[in-house]
Amino acid sequence: TQLLEQSPQFLSIQEGENLTVYCNSSSVFSSLQWYRQEPGEGPVLLVTVVTGGEVKKLKRLTFQFGDARKDSSLHITAAQPGDTGLYLCAGDGGYQKVTFGTGTKLQVIP
Amino acid sequence: DTAVSQTPKYLVTQMGNDKSIKCEQNLGHDTMYWYKQDSKKFLKIMFSYNNKELIINETVPNRFSPKSPDKAHLNLHINSLELGDSAVYFCASSQDPGSGNTIYFGEGSWLTVV
Repeated sequence: TQLLEQSPQFLSIQEGENLTVYCNSSSVFSSLQWYRQEPGEGPVLLVTVVTGGEVKKLKRLTFQFGDARKDSSLHITAAQPGDTGLYLCAGDGGYQKVTFGTGTKLQVIP
Repeated sequence: DTAVSQTPKYLVTQMGNDKSIKCEQNLGHDTMYWYKQDSKKFLKIMFSYNNKELIINETVPNRFSPKSPDKAHLNLHINSLELGDSAVYFCASSQDPGSGNTIYFGEGSWLTVV
């Protein structure tokens, strides 16, 4: 069974701070995605990374896929209250199945 | 227009009852899913259908039976509901299964079994 462990599980920070969320596995993934889920809603895709070592930026969010394609990180610069939500990584390990990570709940305090 | 819509959004029912959750997607996708999100927010796949055919069936009790009348609909029927079935159930769709395709989720159906 492929398992994606995210850390930290919970994060509460002040507006303007930087943070990094990690997504780790012992399995290799052909691609990895990051989703954000807001309360009362379903997850929404933020980014997909497919190449080992790939870095993608989405405004203040920077996503990196590990060289071995087993891990990924999400860095947020100058966090804002609108960044509050549950962040989920998701890995495509083949066999037509996407496995979701354990989740990181982020709260940005104004 | 809502891309993936599921009904009902909230459902409170007694143990032992049978209930259904309906899902429709208007994205023209070939693949639809049911996910279960527990109280710890862990999102786990239950079923995946591609062009009305079941392609993934995780370890789910056979009280849960998905039905796909056409590729735009995937309904979930649950028999003999148990307390442990309380969770949020998300319907989702994508163009193809896996392969880095974007998965579009519905808003979720909050099921509470009392």
